[in-house]
Amino acid sequence: NAGVTQTPKFQVLKTGQSMTLQCAQDMNHNSMYWYRQDPGMGLRLIYYSASEGTTDKGEVPNGYNVSRLNKREFSLRLESAAPSQTSVYFCASSWAVGPEKLFFGSGTQLSVL
Amino acid sequence: GQQVMQIPQYQHVQEGEDFTTYCNSSTTLSNIQWYKQRPGGHPVFLIQLVKSGEVKKQKRLTFQFGEAKKNSSLHITATQTTDVGTYFCAGVTSGTYKYIFGTGTRLKVLA
Repeated sequence: NAGVTQTPKFQVLKTGQSMTLQCAQDMNHNSMYWYRQDPGMGLRLIYYSASEGTTDKGEVPNGYNVSRLNKREFSLRLESAAPSQTSVYFCASSWAVGPEKLFFGSGTQLSVL
Repeated sequence: GQQVMQIPQYQHVQEGEDFTTYCNSSTTLSNIQWYKQRPGGHPVFLIQLVKSGEVKKQKRLTFQFGEAKKNSSLHITATQTTDVGTYFCAGVTSGTYKYIFGTGTRLKVLA
């Protein structure tokens, strides 16, 4: 049972390039989330999807787009990467929104030069 | 917007000493969760508190939710080297679906 799988694990981009981070969960969870983690700032919510077919903004959505492709998959796209987007990105899922525990993927280390 | 702060930011303890991290929210929370992240790893769920004044224990870990549901604490008794990592609280405000994470407390345990 893989849980939450993120790809890629590492990525280096040049300013202005675009890329998509992929996330898939095999736990039949309804809700999925994207967080970024920066030193000293904890985890900040970028976007979330309460259920298949819905997405909503989190705390720091600017510069990102998301797609809930199906119940299993939730992707995060950077259209024009900026150095300020250098961070570790975590995908997470939960059975539902609200008081449910989050299961995290192993993360993607992204550097934008 | 809602803010969740944790103190201290860092803590170094000798193995066997106790450790406490505090979590404070600017708004009343419907529930709070605690996560542990080992160095280089991802956050792993530890526990969830829902009721005002709730206290839960997991072996050497004691979790409390404040009476006003705006603060919480995690206390570790007699730390071990396996306790090393960053501890995060995450709060949810009633009516929203957004878990807001605290800034985290990084614990180092010296053998």
